[in-house]
Amino acid sequence: EVQLVESGGGLVKPGGSLRLSCAASGFTFSNAWMSWVRQAPGKGLEWVGRIKSKTDGGTTDYAAPVKGRFIISRDDSKNTLYLQMNSLKTEDTAMYYCATGGVGTWGQGTLVTVSS
Amino acid sequence: DVVMTQSPLSLPVTLGQPASISCRSSQSLLYSDGNTYLNWFQQRPGQSPRRLIYKVSNRDSGVPDRFSGSGSGTDFTLKISRVEAEDVGVYYCMQGTHWPFTFGPGTKVDIK
Repeated sequence: EVQLVESGGGLVKPGGSLRLSCAASGFTFSNAWMSWVRQAPGKGLEWVGRIKSKTDGGTTDYAAPVKGRFIISRDDSKNTLYLQMNSLKTEDTAMYYCATGGVGTWGQGTLVTVSS
Repeated sequence: DVVMTQSPLSLPVTLGQPASISCRSSQSLLYSDGNTYLNWFQQRPGQSPRRLIYKVSNRDSGVPDRFSGSGSGTDFTLKISRVEAEDVGVYYCMQGTHWPFTFGPGTKVDIK
C-alpha cells in the first residue's frame, strides 16, 4: 500500500524557518516525482512545488509565492521528501501535504502556523 | 498562470439524484504528448484530498463508477450519476499541463 506520512509542522514566528519531512513507503520512491501542496485554513489547494526523480534530473520547480524561500529536496536512501521553509510569512500558515508526482496519493498533512 | 474556474461553487443535491460540476481553464490543457492533464479531487470534511479522475476521464482505483469525467481543451465536467451521503465534500479540478499546476476554487457539495 502506498503511504505518505508528513511530519515537522508546528508554530513558528514570522521570519523563522521550519523543515517538513514526508516518509514514503509502498512504492519505488527513487523513481517518483514528488510534490508539496498546501491549504490555508478554510481555503482551497495551492501548489508549493515539485521535485523530479534523479533519473529525470532531480530538478525542482516552485510556485511564485514560495520561490527563493522554500527548498524541496529528497533522500532516496531514506525514502523521504523534505520541504525547507525559510523567511516564513503569516500567509504561509497552512496544512502542508506531500503527494506523489501525479498527485494520485496524498499524505495526511502537517500543519504549519506562522504567528508572533 | 492557468486560471481554473468551477461552477457552481455550491451544489445542494438530493440523495439519489445526479450532480454535475463544470471546470474551465484559461488555456487549452492539451499537452504536446497528446494527453490532457485534468484531474478531479474530492476532499471530505477533515480529510486529505483524494484523486477521483485523472487525464479527464480515467477513474482511480476504488472510485465508484457513479463518478465520471469528460471534456476536452478548456471545458471539463465531473458527473455523479446518483449522489450518496458519502459524496458530501469539496470537489476540485486541477490542471497538470502547464507549470505551475493550478487548482480550481472548489465546489462544495452537500445534501439538501
